[in-house]
Amino acid sequence: DGGITQSPKYLFRKEGQNVTLSCEQNLNHDAMYWYRQDPGQGLRLIYYSQIVNDFQKGDIAEGYSVSREKKESFPLTVTSAQKNPTAFYLCASREARVSNEKLFFGSGTQLSVL
Amino acid sequence: QKEVEQNSGPLSVPEGAIASLNCTYSDRGSQSFFWYRQYSGKSPELIMSIYSNGDKEDGRFTAQLNKASQYVSLLIRDSQPSDSATYLCAVYSGTYKYIFGTGTRLKVLA
Repeated sequence: DGGITQSPKYLFRKEGQNVTLSCEQNLNHDAMYWYRQDPGQGLRLIYYSQIVNDFQKGDIAEGYSVSREKKESFPLTVTSAQKNPTAFYLCASREARVSNEKLFFGSGTQLSVL
Repeated sequence: QKEVEQNSGPLSVPEGAIASLNCTYSDRGSQSFFWYRQYSGKSPELIMSIYSNGDKEDGRFTAQLNKASQYVSLLIRDSQPSDSATYLCAVYSGTYKYIFGTGTRLKVLA
């Protein structure tokens, strides 16, 4: 089955710790995204990548880092510099075709601080 | 700052009624418009996309777009308790970026 796989489903971070959220897709999509969702709020863009080895900061990139070494994978690292990391993190992907901008989401990772 | 506005609700409708969800956007250059359904604790699921003015129907769902008024709506006919969720409006304006509204919570009462 084609889709976007995020892991883990739940993640706990200790003070001063970096943690990495995994996102893998087998849809052959070129563009991948990371969003953060806080309760009662809309989705806010952290980073996005249009092609391998290239990525752009979104609206709330501070305290986060990403890599795009393979088309299928777009991991997100939440660094210790992110002081309020508790949120629901969503990975998404889409095709590169101009006529098809549909964005599809993985199942999400809930990150909490211990 | 480009914005997408939605009424947070909750919007309560009886089972079998029509639910009407509304969304306005600020960027006149917006090209594509999407409605997502999100159940509590789950990720958003794409249910409708619309690109040109007018209506687009898919089963019990109808999306309506009016670019002159910068207004998108979603109608859900014969609402079911399983439709109870938060509905997110999203707008794509090019350059690979999407703007999401904060969502409208819909409650369908059995």
